[in-house]
Amino acid sequence: DIQMTQSPSSLSASIGDRVTITCQASQDISNYLNWFQQEPGKAPKLLIYGASNLQIGVPSRFSGSGSGTSFSFTITSLQPEDIATYYCQQYDSLPPTFGQGTQVEIK
Amino acid sequence: ELLLAGSGGGLVQPGRSLRLSCAASGFSLDDYAMSWFRRAPGKGLEWVGFIRSKAYGGAADYAASVKGRFTISRDLSKSIAYLDMISLRTEDTAVYYCSRGGGVGHGYSPIDSWGQGTLVTVSS
Repeated sequence: DIQMTQSPSSLSASIGDRVTITCQASQDISNYLNWFQQEPGKAPKLLIYGASNLQIGVPSRFSGSGSGTSFSFTITSLQPEDIATYYCQQYDSLPPTFGQGTQVEIK
Repeated sequence: ELLLAGSGGGLVQPGRSLRLSCAASGFSLDDYAMSWFRRAPGKGLEWVGFIRSKAYGGAADYAASVKGRFTISRDLSKSIAYLDMISLRTEDTAVYYCSRGGGVGHGYSPIDSWGQGTLVTVSS
């Protein structure tokens, strides 16, 4: 299975801050990478697919980049409603695997 | 309107079976892949399995942790997707989510709708 290493595991930032999360794949996954958001008590939500494609309806402050084994996810201006856990997931090959998650909190 | 409604969770003893349902409206079930995920207490998201769309053959694949015990199927006449779970273990305790979309590689379709999640608790 492809291992996804995500960091940091948690972060605390102020409203308006730029937040970046990284994800490293154990082998080349091209751009077959998703970023999910899961707010407390809610279903997950797909924010980014194909490493950098914004899912329909997702605010433009969210973005993703990278290819191969190294990826990043950025919130350009953190908002109160962004409090959630964020996960990367590879879908290059079965089984799709997730990073450990990054819990984002407001400072 | 596109909608997924998950149901069927509950408390079940180890070794017993349970069927989760995912009622779909606003689209035809066999036109899309359908994926199942779960999140165990205090843990991260885990992919459980998915069933391909009719255009991609309709076969299903599963995580190693559930293969042979869980089965994903679709009843097109009722517009319901199912996750049948047998030989349940305490480590299967989680909130289970159905979703529209998924897959791998170039066959992947972005997940654009989720059921609300249903809690399965496996305990004696």
